[in-house]
Amino acid sequence: GDSVTQMEGPVTLSEEAFLTINCTYTATGYPSLFWYVQYPGEGLQLLLKATKADDKGSNKGFEATYRKETTSFHLEKGSVQVSDSAVYFCALSGTISNFGNEKLTFGTGTRLTIIP
Amino acid sequence: EPEVTQTPSHQVTQMGQEVILRCVPISNHLYFYWYRQILGQKVEFLVSFYNNEISEKSEIFDDQFSVERPDGSNFTLKIRSTKLEDSAMYFCASLAGEAYNEQFFGPGTRLTVL
Repeated sequence: GDSVTQMEGPVTLSEEAFLTINCTYTATGYPSLFWYVQYPGEGLQLLLKATKADDKGSNKGFEATYRKETTSFHLEKGSVQVSDSAVYFCALSGTISNFGNEKLTFGTGTRLTIIP
Repeated sequence: EPEVTQTPSHQVTQMGQEVILRCVPISNHLYFYWYRQILGQKVEFLVSFYNNEISEKSEIFDDQFSVERPDGSNFTLKIRSTKLEDSAMYFCASLAGEAYNEQFFGPGTRLTVL
């Protein structure tokens, strides 16, 4: 079945450091890929997405590129801030149809802590 | 900005008791979901709901679980006889329609079964 493998956490970085959180997937078909973020005490929020190969999703300085050849969707940010401290989830959907209503399959989540 | 809400934020129950977790999806959304996350593990899909019926369910969603949209605004998850292993964070999500692919999540209900 479909699965998502995420970089083990937790990850601790200093402010302004470069961030990479690795994500690879196994899926039939051509999934859409997502990064969700969960801030303390809040629900999962969509951070960015990409729906086809070579698409780049970006938001709030974060980027991820859909790499079909390596089945990866690594999350990057050039200069992290304390406010980026959260849990980050990689996910996929849409392996059966092109419709967006299919369930999400998540990775385990990576807890990121940024220290001043 | 519209948001998904969930109540209660934390529910403690005894093993064997029934619990109902409540969600209010975003108004005019058409698809509804429940996911759960056992502490330290993946967020797992439980069930999806559309047009007043279950559209997909996982193997976790056995006869002890049921979902309902009783009044056109609430979306509930009922666990008939809770087990220790049902302790988890339960997330509700809603989706505007099949042409969209952003599910909006609530803050979750932490269920603790003693």
